[in-house]
Amino acid sequence: EDKVVQSPLSLVVHEGDTVTLNCSYEVTNFRSLLWYKQEKKAPTFLFMLTSSGIEKKSGRLSSILDKKELFSILNITATQTGDSAVYLCAGTVYSGYALNFGKGTSLLVTP
Amino acid sequence: NAGVTQTPKFRILKIGQSMTLQCTQDMNHNYMYWYRQDPGMGLKLIYYSVGAGITDKGEVPNGYNVSRSTTEDFPLRLELAAPSQTSVYFCASSPTGNEQFFGPGTRLTVL
Repeated sequence: EDKVVQSPLSLVVHEGDTVTLNCSYEVTNFRSLLWYKQEKKAPTFLFMLTSSGIEKKSGRLSSILDKKELFSILNITATQTGDSAVYLCAGTVYSGYALNFGKGTSLLVTP
Repeated sequence: NAGVTQTPKFRILKIGQSMTLQCTQDMNHNYMYWYRQDPGMGLKLIYYSVGAGITDKGEVPNGYNVSRSTTEDFPLRLELAAPSQTSVYFCASSPTGNEQFFGPGTRLTVL
């Protein structure tokens, strides 16, 4: 069965800290890995990663995929209170159409 | 573009009642999805569609039905509501079957 595991489940940091969120996945016929941010409403799309070793960046957020080790990280530098959210990781496969979501990492950034 | 819209935002049902959750997208995406999200859990796929007239079951389809008569609309039908269907329901669409874009969600309570 395809499985996506995120760690830690929750995290509390101070503004300005750098955080690293982890996502490991066991999916057969891997196609892509996606990161979403969810703040009390719908998940919003952050990144899609399909190739190993290529970093995707958007402002203070970046993500990289290791296809061999089946692992991805999401980095947030200089955190702000507005980064407080649940971050979801999801995998897709060539043989299906669903996103297989992990349970998410709940991040709280305190002033 | 409005993106993915869902109605209603909130609904309370009595056990055994029926209702339809509406979902519309204006991005001309072929792929559409329905997910449910329970507290502390990741999103679970209920049904999906790869184009008008084509639908298929996801991971948790029991108690639900869908139809896709147009590219834009993908309604989700609950026939006999049960307390286990209390959840937040998200509709999503995708241009490629990979990255998905979510609607604002419908919070449903069954009493």
